[in-house]
Amino acid sequence: DADVTQTPRNRITKTGKRIMLECSQTKGHDRMYWYRQDPGLGLRLIYYSFDVKDINKGEISDGYSVSRQAQAKFSLSLESAIPNQTALYFCATSDPGLAKDTDTQYFGPGTRLTVL
Amino acid sequence: KQEVTQIPAALSVPEGENLVLNCSFTDSAIYNLQWFRQDPGKGLTSLLLIQSSQREQTSGRLNASLDKSSGRSTLYIAASQPGDSATYLCAVRGLTGGGNKLTFGTGTQLKVEL
Repeated sequence: DADVTQTPRNRITKTGKRIMLECSQTKGHDRMYWYRQDPGLGLRLIYYSFDVKDINKGEISDGYSVSRQAQAKFSLSLESAIPNQTALYFCATSDPGLAKDTDTQYFGPGTRLTVL
Repeated sequence: KQEVTQIPAALSVPEGENLVLNCSFTDSAIYNLQWFRQDPGKGLTSLLLIQSSQREQTSGRLNASLDKSSGRSTLYIAASQPGDSATYLCAVRGLTGGGNKLTFGTGTQLKVEL
């Protein structure tokens, strides 16, 4: 079984609809992240959370919100979806442990979201 | 603001060829640099991580080098195989900004042909 899972894997929605993307992990990591990937722009950080009580904005948080329901679950919401939010969304987890200089991130398979 | 560039954007090589992928970054104040592989529908997989104090890392047929002062990294793939076909991304973790923020390049799409 995958360590980081994302649901749904694909979603088509209409402008103005509220959408929630969910991420679950079985790695026991405290840190979780949401990225979006657009052609020609690479991955960009939307939000990150270092524990259940810690939520931080990334570089492109406008139009998005998140919820950290538990250590293992981190959800991304689009309150009112717009077409330029069409992208591939990735969740990631990490746990620096004793190796704070590495803190490798482990990625889920992605959710392809299309907003019409 | 850190910017990461990868050249070429796409590369097609015959099986068995050795190849080099390039990554450059504008701010040398980094903790580390990582190379990822992205397969369609499978997310990203970390291949190699080089600490800022290191010059290179090796894993099997892969060798990554880092020249922090010039803002460059290379990923060398020896004896390429069709299974190496994927998009390769490099990402740097900056010293400032917090949040273990990774800045990604746009990737090199590699195709290894039989």
